[in-house]
Amino acid sequence: DSGVTQTPKHLITATGQRVTLRCSPRSGDLSVYWYQQSLDQGLQFLIQYYNGEERAKGNILERFSAQQFPDLHSELNLSSLELGDSALYFCASSTRRGGAEVNADTQYFGPGTRLTVL
Amino acid sequence: AQKITQTQPGMFVQEKEAVTLDCTYDTSDQSYGLFWYKQPSSGEMIFLIYQGSYDEQNATEGRYSLNFQKARKSANLVISASQLGDSAMYFCAMREGLRDSSYKLIFGSGTRLLVRP
Repeated sequence: DSGVTQTPKHLITATGQRVTLRCSPRSGDLSVYWYQQSLDQGLQFLIQYYNGEERAKGNILERFSAQQFPDLHSELNLSSLELGDSALYFCASSTRRGGAEVNADTQYFGPGTRLTVL
Repeated sequence: AQKITQTQPGMFVQEKEAVTLDCTYDTSDQSYGLFWYKQPSSGEMIFLIYQGSYDEQNATEGRYSLNFQKARKSANLVISASQLGDSAMYFCAMREGLRDSSYKLIFGSGTRLLVRP
């Protein structure tokens, strides 16, 4: 158990709909990262938050947005869903924003939310 | 551009034997970190081992060791005494330095390992 929790575990919805994925980081971790894992694109970084602020963006679609709340949990919002958005969405957390030992800042992953768009 | 290459889509190993999973990387940064994650069929991503670019010794964590060859830009994972529970997908990942404040991990395409009894 990594200590990172994600809900829901599974989500089935229709095209055009909007969903919200929730993530609670490990206790004490300030950074939250979102990744998408799909068969054709592999594992891709979407976005990172640190202590409530957006820190880095990857190939995140404009239809997707995220935020991190004062209690450090994060939500990923996916709207106008398309079939191609079906994927496993991971949240990961780490302790530090960066600094001298940034490369040792291990990201611990949650169990993922499997999204199926029909 | 930063890139991780895993050339072995699938591998078999006999139980109790050692296996090496290959990973090569490409980066222009002097400071970077290399990670291996395991993804069993249940889907979760489990952190296994980390190697920093300035670490002089190869990282080890129990039955896992990382064969780090900086000049060749390779970071192979060695699993000793394979167990049936090691059957999973294995991902190599890289994290670069602070150049653009991006702390993302770049993942390879993965290697599926099957341990035979």
